[in-house]
Amino acid sequence: KQEVTQIPAALSVPEGENLVLNCSFTDSAIYNLQWFRQDPGKGLTSLLLIQSSQREQTSGRLNASLDKSSGRSTLYIAASQPGDSATYLCAGPSGSARQLTFGSGTQLTVLP
Amino acid sequence: NAGVTQTPKFQVLKTGQSMTLQCAQDMNHEYMSWYRQDPGMGLRLIHYSVGAGITDQGEVPNGYNVSRSTTEDFPLRLLSAAPSQTSVYFCASSYVRRFLVFGPGTRLTVL
Repeated sequence: KQEVTQIPAALSVPEGENLVLNCSFTDSAIYNLQWFRQDPGKGLTSLLLIQSSQREQTSGRLNASLDKSSGRSTLYIAASQPGDSATYLCAGPSGSARQLTFGSGTQLTVLP
Repeated sequence: NAGVTQTPKFQVLKTGQSMTLQCAQDMNHEYMSWYRQDPGMGLRLIHYSVGAGITDQGEVPNGYNVSRSTTEDFPLRLLSAAPSQTSVYFCASSYVRRFLVFGPGTRLTVL
């Protein structure tokens, strides 16, 4: 059974700083990994999806990497802004191809 | 293109009552799923479906039923609500191995 861990649970940084969010998973047979953003009281928004054949995926100021051998994925946010404040979750497939296991998220606060 | 829609947004039930949470998508996604999100527990999969007429259990299926009679709709039924089912419920859909698209959620309180 896939287990997904995100550390730290919360992170606070000053505006403009580059930062890295971490995601660890136990099943290295993972075929993709997704990163999501959740604003308070809202649903989840997909940010990036990395296939197992890729090492990185970029969207604007966001860059996600996937290292299956070490069981890790990182989400890099460049030049952080207060609008980036949210909870970021990663998720990977578990068991059958149709089940996603989510990490518990990292709550990011970007201070102006 | 409305994406994934969920109704109602909020619901309060008494213990033992039944209700159906509605979920619909207009993207022709074959995969649909229901999650519940609880503080400290993260998102947990309740049930999922890989196409019309096909459903399967996720991590926490007890107390919930689903059916998938059409590609578009995937309702979640609570047969006899319990306080432990107080949670935020999210419906999500996708194409095979593609981005999971979430609905806005239903906040359910069971008294």
